[in-house]
Amino acid sequence: LAKTTQPISMDSYEGQEVNITCSHNNIATNDYITWYQQFPSQGPRFIIQGYKTKVTNEVASLFIPADRKSSTLSLPRVSLSDTAVYYCLVGDDNNDMRFGAGTRLTVKP
Amino acid sequence: NAGVTQTPKFRVLKTGQSMTLLCAQDMNHEYMYWYRQDPGMGLRLIHYSVGEGTTAKGEVPDGYNVSRLKKQNFLLGLESAAPSQTSVYFCASKDSLREKLFFGSGTQLSVL
Repeated sequence: LAKTTQPISMDSYEGQEVNITCSHNNIATNDYITWYQQFPSQGPRFIIQGYKTKVTNEVASLFIPADRKSSTLSLPRVSLSDTAVYYCLVGDDNNDMRFGAGTRLTVKP
Repeated sequence: NAGVTQTPKFRVLKTGQSMTLLCAQDMNHEYMYWYRQDPGMGLRLIHYSVGEGTTAKGEVPDGYNVSRLKKQNFLLGLESAAPSQTSVYFCASKDSLREKLFFGSGTQLSVL
């Protein structure tokens, strides 16, 4: 299983773009990269998933360099409601879905 | 369509007591998972199941047992509760290998 490393916490201000990077040096060929968001007292929810290059949806973008040893979740123009914990998961066809410690993002007014 | 439902939502146990947490999903998902989350910490995988009648250990399986007798249900049992098992427990399910996880709303368990 690929081990992931993320910053423990990040602070930002409303309206700014936030980039959270996840390191996964031993990512395997078939591994996908998935990001989840968790608000207090709630279960995590899916944000975005990608394999290589760039993926964009209505809430975020995911940038994956050619070597795939890291990935960056980009949240455009954050608001106070984006304050949450963000988790990066790396896995392929294995069923063992393990979360790391995540990154606690605090958005300030 | 309820998604993933966990019962109960809250429970207080005394040390040594037993209990079962129920997770039910109505999405016909194959894969189901049990996690625990301690205050200020990330989720840790306890056990998981890749289909009816199957279970497997995760990161922190000790002190817990699970059963998946029906595809829609995944039960987590504590045979002899300990204060160290005080935590929030989350259940999740997904349809196939690369699909996203759907989480329940959690069970707050306190062991005194």
